[in-house]
Formats: sequence, structure tokens, C-alpha cells
Amino acid sequence: DSGVTQTPKHLITATGQRVTLRCSPRSGDLSVYWYQQSLDQGLQFLIQYYNGEERAKGNILERFSAQQFPDLHSELNLSSLELGDSALYFCASGSGDRETQYFGPGTRLLVL
Amino acid sequence: GENVEQHPSTLSVQEGDSAVIKCTYSDSASNYFPWYKQELGKRPQLIIDIRSNVGEKKDQRIAVTLNKTAKHFSLHITETQPEDSAVYFCAASMAAGNKLTFGGGTRVLVKP
Repeated sequence: DSGVTQTPKHLITATGQRVTLRCSPRSGDLSVYWYQQSLDQGLQFLIQYYNGEERAKGNILERFSAQQFPDLHSELNLSSLELGDSALYFCASGSGDRETQYFGPGTRLLVL
Repeated sequence: GENVEQHPSTLSVQEGDSAVIKCTYSDSASNYFPWYKQELGKRPQLIIDIRSNVGEKKDQRIAVTLNKTAKHFSLHITETQPEDSAVYFCAASMAAGNKLTFGGGTRVLVKP
């Protein structure tokens, strides 16, 4: 157990819908990273937050957004869902001043 | 941006033999190189990492080597066991708190 929690574990929804994925980092960690894992794309960095502020953006679609709250949990919002958004979404947490990232259990999203 | 290539994509070894996975990176500014093991349906778990000021690091049956000049690093697993069967990912990062850029993964199968 890495200490990073994610909810829900599974999500099944329809095209065009909107979903919210939640992540709670390890105690003491200030950084949250979101990654998408699909079969053909591997693990792709989406976005990073550090202590409530956006720090880095990767290959994140405009339909996706994220935020980090004062209690440091983070939410990833996916809207206007398409079939191709079906994937495993992982968050990872880190202290922000060290390199190590610890991954949560992931949310498996299936868009039908 | 950084690009990490990983080879081979699949690797089948006999129990007790060694397994070697190789990665190359493109950006010489990268200085942190972790390896993650991902079992089916589970989170990526950090198994070993190396920083650019070190050429080799060992932890029991696993070792990682880094060649900064050639911009490549490798994972070595000795005396493989069936529980080593998983997908292994290499990654690179440019600084503490930065995103990870992952290789495409290597599916390792250890045959008893």
C-alpha cells in the first residue's frame, strides 16, 4: 500500500458524459501527478499540482481539467467523454522536493 | 521534450535465468531514473531508482546501471522467479518534483 488513495476504483459511463476522479496523496506529500494509461499509449503524464497550484501540464486534453484543494486532495474532471478516453487513470504523489513518486491504485474508466 | 525508449517490449526467461531491460533517453538534463513494476490490474510500484551521480545501484536480485554519456540505463534481474512476471517500466525525470516520462514497458514472463 503506497498511502495514495483513489476513488472510485471503476467507472462505467456513456459518451458525452462527465466524470470526476478523486485522489488523496500520502500524508505530507504536497505534489499530485495525474497519469493516463491506455493500451496503446503506455503511461502518459497529464498534469501536476503542487500545494494547490498547477505546476506542469502534459498531454492533457482541453476537455479534461484538474484542481488541488486546500486539504491537498486532487480531482480530475473529464467531460464530453469519448470512447478513446477509456483507460486507467493513476495519480501519484510526491513531496515536491524529492524525485520519488508513489502511485495510487488507479481508476479504471470505461466509456461506452 | 524528453523521450524514453524501452526494449524489448516482451521478454520470456526460464526461472533462475537473468533478465535485462534497456532504456534510452533523449534529454541530457534528465538526472533521475526510476523503474516501476506493474502487475496485472495493479498500480506501478517503484522497485529501484538511480540518480545521475551514480553509475550502478543494487538491491538484492535487482540492479540498475546508468551510462550518462550514452544516455541509456538498464535493469538487471538475476535468479528470476515466477513472481517477477509483470510489466516493467523505466522512466526519466529532470529534477526533483518534476513529471516522469515513461518508456513503453516490457512484459516479462518467467517460465517455471
